[in-house]
Amino acid sequence: QVQLQESGPGLVKPSETLSLTCAVSGYSISSGYYWGWIRQSPGKGLEWIGSMYHSGSTYYNPSLKSRVIISVDTSKNQFSLKLNSVTAADTAVYYCARDGGYSAYYFSYWGQGTLVTVSS
Amino acid sequence: DIQMSQSPSTLSASVGDRVTITCRASQSISGWLAWYQQKPGKAPKLLIYKASSLESGVPSRFSGSGSGTEFTLTITSLQPDDFATYYCQHYSTYSSITFGQGTRLEIK
Repeated sequence: QVQLQESGPGLVKPSETLSLTCAVSGYSISSGYYWGWIRQSPGKGLEWIGSMYHSGSTYYNPSLKSRVIISVDTSKNQFSLKLNSVTAADTAVYYCARDGGYSAYYFSYWGQGTLVTVSS
Repeated sequence: DIQMSQSPSTLSASVGDRVTITCRASQSISGWLAWYQQKPGKAPKLLIYKASSLESGVPSRFSGSGSGTEFTLTITSLQPDDFATYYCQHYSTYSSITFGQGTRLEIK
């Protein structure tokens, strides 16, 4: 069974960089699929942030592209999100997820989510 | 950008009812649509992909239909566990993934 678990600071100061890691168990990232990040602002809907393949191929939401880096560490079977220059608008629950496979850019497996608050 | 719009925003229903949630795309997305169920404090759960394909393990009372710009999620014979928020998601390409704003299904 594929399981994903987010980790990282729950509080980030404005203008700083938000950094989260997603540890994957039950499946090797190197075996395939795209692995991504989605966020949900308090009381609001879902926003896709970006996704990457183990080879390093990445796709980002155009509205966040200038501030986002997603990277993978296959040796630790985990991938990471960095979002720089954060503001209060970046306060959200951040989820990591795995997509459905070839040309299947929906999300079949999700982590439980981690709340990140941007505040001084 | 392709925008996804769900209706209604809130739906009140009773156990045993049949309900339908609609998702409209601002332009044709063929059948590249997924549906999710989300309960408070939990991650979304995939229900339907490719507009009408039922994800493994999802009860058959859930069904999806549509193509182009209009899609529906139907739940027949509502169960107590079905009261949640439902989201549609467009996914024709990785650079165009967008979610609907959600439909909250509440107990009447």
